[in-house]
Amino acid sequence: EADIYQTPRYLVIGTGKKITLECSQTMGHDKMYWYQQDPGMELHLIHYSYGVNSTEKGDLSSESTVSRIRTEHFPLTLESARPSHTSQYLCASSEPGGPYNEQFFGPGTRLTVL
Amino acid sequence: TQLLEQSPQFLSIQEGENLTVYCNSSSVFSSLQWYRQEPGEGPVLLVTVVTGGEVKKLKRLTFQFGDARKDSSLHITAAQPGDTGLYLCAGAYAGNMLTFGGGTRLMVKP
Repeated sequence: EADIYQTPRYLVIGTGKKITLECSQTMGHDKMYWYQQDPGMELHLIHYSYGVNSTEKGDLSSESTVSRIRTEHFPLTLESARPSHTSQYLCASSEPGGPYNEQFFGPGTRLTVL
Repeated sequence: TQLLEQSPQFLSIQEGENLTVYCNSSSVFSSLQWYRQEPGEGPVLLVTVVTGGEVKKLKRLTFQFGDARKDSSLHITAAQPGDTGLYLCAGAYAGNMLTFGGGTRLMVKP
């Protein structure tokens, strides 16, 4: 079973607040990802990292930022949350050298911005 | 951007029925994965298919990769309420990235 954790699981905040969504994995995976998913819909890649000090933007434009100071930790930050940021955010990781990029997902953070 | 289309988007069936979910693209993928996601949780990997024409079975689930590696199908035999969930296909392409289909929401009624 994959050991990837996300906190908080649910977050309701007001417009303009700064928030950080936490993601940690204990599998030693180099590659980590953040996806945005509206309920029951497809996943959109917003950020990814190939390892420490590596961060890249994904296919979907996002106002969030990420950092990768430690292998196991890949937090996502929104400096000023808006209602358009309301969504589910999923963190994932994949094994180094894995040929098929099979990804292990955390349980997600459901964010609501009022 | 590689695109994957899944059909049907929604499927509601009775326990014991069979069903097939399709995942199609005009692009070739190096591999294709199927995930299942339950409400409030992240997707969980079910299977990876790699070779064109490949068929993999996981209990009552049968996965097939098209000969040209552009499409895939998931067939469930004798569906059970525990099969309820969102089924997502994802294709791997250059750079080891994944592109996800829109998902098929399956409900199996007892």
